[in-house]
Amino acid sequence: NAGVMQNPRHLVRRRGQEARLRCSPMKGHSHVYWYRQLPEEGLKFMVYLQKENIIDESGMPKERFSAEFPKEGPSILRIQQVVRGDSAAYFCASSPGGVYTDTQYFGPGTRLTVL
Amino acid sequence: KQEVTQIPAALSVPEGENLVLNCSFTDSAIYNLQWFRQDPGKGLTSLLLIQSSQREQTSGRLNASLDKSSGRSTLYIAASQPGDSATYLCAFMDSNYQLIWGAGTKLIIKP
Repeated sequence: NAGVMQNPRHLVRRRGQEARLRCSPMKGHSHVYWYRQLPEEGLKFMVYLQKENIIDESGMPKERFSAEFPKEGPSILRIQQVVRGDSAAYFCASSPGGVYTDTQYFGPGTRLTVL
Repeated sequence: KQEVTQIPAALSVPEGENLVLNCSFTDSAIYNLQWFRQDPGKGLTSLLLIQSSQREQTSGRLNASLDKSSGRSTLYIAASQPGDSATYLCAFMDSNYQLIWGAGTKLIIKP
């Protein structure tokens, strides 16, 4: 059973471009979470999704950021018109269900660098 | 504002020592608390999950405790090994089902 997969592992964008980060949850997991880790800081929750539904996006910046988890395919975190402050490691996690009882399994992360 | 503090921020000890990592949190209304390790270039690995009704969990050389009343959790590592070198993160799940994270303790075990 493959773990949580994220791609790309490293992404470089220039200011104003779009960044798309992909996350494939573990097989059988229907819950996906995105976190952001800024340099020298702890991880911060961004958004929690189930298939075709956004459950909680309270940690997501109101502008330029969006997330989806379609019925088929990976979850996508999309950042439009990136700025230097978006440079960070973005981690995706998945769980089978039961939000507060299940361990979240994390992917290797995508390191976004905005030039 | 809910906060998680991990002390120390960095720790370097000789191989074989027993050590304790500390995590304190401000919100006692938690569902659970987890300890993770983060290796450079790799994803996070969940080590131990303690439900709010539990006091401790053990896995191999690791033991984690939870004291909600004082807002503290500790991760005890017995007989440390160089392979234990990593950053250790604690996080608690709050009443909104969000994980609130500490900044981590960077641990180096010297051979």
